[in-house]
Amino acid sequence: NAGVMQNPRHLVRRRGQEARLRCSPMKGHSHVYWYRQLPEEGLKFMVYLQKENIIDESGMPKERFSAEFPKEGPSILRIQQVVRGDSAAYFCASSLNGVGDSPLHFGNGTRLTVT
Amino acid sequence: GENVEQHPSTLSVQEGDSAVIKCTYSDSASNYFPWYKQELGKRPQLIIDIRSNVGEKKDQRIAVTLNKTAKHFSLHITETQPEDSAVYFCAASLGASGSARQLTFGSGTQLTVLP
Repeated sequence: NAGVMQNPRHLVRRRGQEARLRCSPMKGHSHVYWYRQLPEEGLKFMVYLQKENIIDESGMPKERFSAEFPKEGPSILRIQQVVRGDSAAYFCASSLNGVGDSPLHFGNGTRLTVT
Repeated sequence: GENVEQHPSTLSVQEGDSAVIKCTYSDSASNYFPWYKQELGKRPQLIIDIRSNVGEKKDQRIAVTLNKTAKHFSLHITETQPEDSAVYFCAASLGASGSARQLTFGSGTQLTVLP
């Protein structure tokens, strides 16, 4: 059973460009979470999605950031007009029935560098 | 929202000694408390979790205790080995039935096991 798959592993963007981060949850998982981790810091919640629905986006900046989890295909975290402060590791996680009912499994992350 | 504090931020122990990491949480309704281990450059991995209806859980050299009254929980690693060296994160959640259905993480503890 393949784990949570994220791509790309590393992404370099110049200021003002767009970054697209992809996440395929574990097979059978319909709950997807995105977290951001700055160097030597903890994991900060960004957004929680189920298929075709955003359940909780309270941790995601209102501007430039968006997320989706379509009926078919991976979940996408999109950052428009990136700035240096967006440089971080972005982790996707999935669970079978939602946090608390089933464990949260993380992908290997996408390390975004904005130059 | 939930706030999780974790101590200490760094911990060095001699191989074979025990290590204890402590976390406190703010929302008394939280009922799910996992611990994750993250090695440098890798994804967080779930090592043990506990629910609020249980006071202690053990898995080989790892144990977690929960004090709901005081709103704190701890990770205990016995007979530490060099491969235990990593960053450990605690987390808390209201679980799938709560309104905050995502994990709030502590800031992490860098554990170093000295040979």
